[in-house]
Amino acid sequence: DAKTTQPPSMDCAEGRAANLPCNHSTISGNEYVYWYRQIHSQGPQYIIHGLKNNETNEMASLIITEDRKSSTLILPHATLRDTAVYYCIVSRETSGSRLTFGEGTQLTVNP
Amino acid sequence: KAGVTQTPRYLIKTRGQQVTLSCSPISGHRSVSWYQQTPGQGLQFLFEYFSETQRNKGNFPGRFSGRQFSNSRSEMNVSTLELGDSALYLCASSSGTGRLNSPLHFGNGTRLTVT
Repeated sequence: DAKTTQPPSMDCAEGRAANLPCNHSTISGNEYVYWYRQIHSQGPQYIIHGLKNNETNEMASLIITEDRKSSTLILPHATLRDTAVYYCIVSRETSGSRLTFGEGTQLTVNP
Repeated sequence: KAGVTQTPRYLIKTRGQQVTLSCSPISGHRSVSWYQQTPGQGLQFLFEYFSETQRNKGNFPGRFSGRQFSNSRSEMNVSTLELGDSALYLCASSSGTGRLNSPLHFGNGTRLTVT
């Protein structure tokens, strides 16, 4: 699976959009981009995934560049409960069960 | 729908002992995966079971084993515990059908402390 690079930490004001970047320059054509987050003392929570098209669900939007070498997770209106570690993962596993988690980005939403 | 349930929530064991952790997946999910999370190594994949068969295995010693029952519930066992086995053990379930719209759903883990 391709390696990902994320900033170790980011801050965001409550109510503003949080844009979390991820670099995956070695991604191959059959690899998907997954985003999970982990709130302190809880298990990771699935957010969204995509292959090449932009994706949106009730939690977030995923923007993947045309060359697929990077992506951005957007939380449109961040709340204090969005404070968590966000993991960007690239995987070709069709079931998505064997995921390689990096260190992620610690997002802190400030009041 | 109930989420992934892991028991017990906390466990304290002594070096050399063995431990069994339990996981009940989301109803209808047939795949169960186990992960270990430590401050130094982060989240690492242990193994995955699907329909009572181990389908994937991570790079952990043979002291770590698991099984899955016909009702998809899973257990993992660690024998001859070492101090370094202290970690948060996470279980995740998915439909496991191989379709990409079957993401992992994690439980809140079992915190194992080895003294």
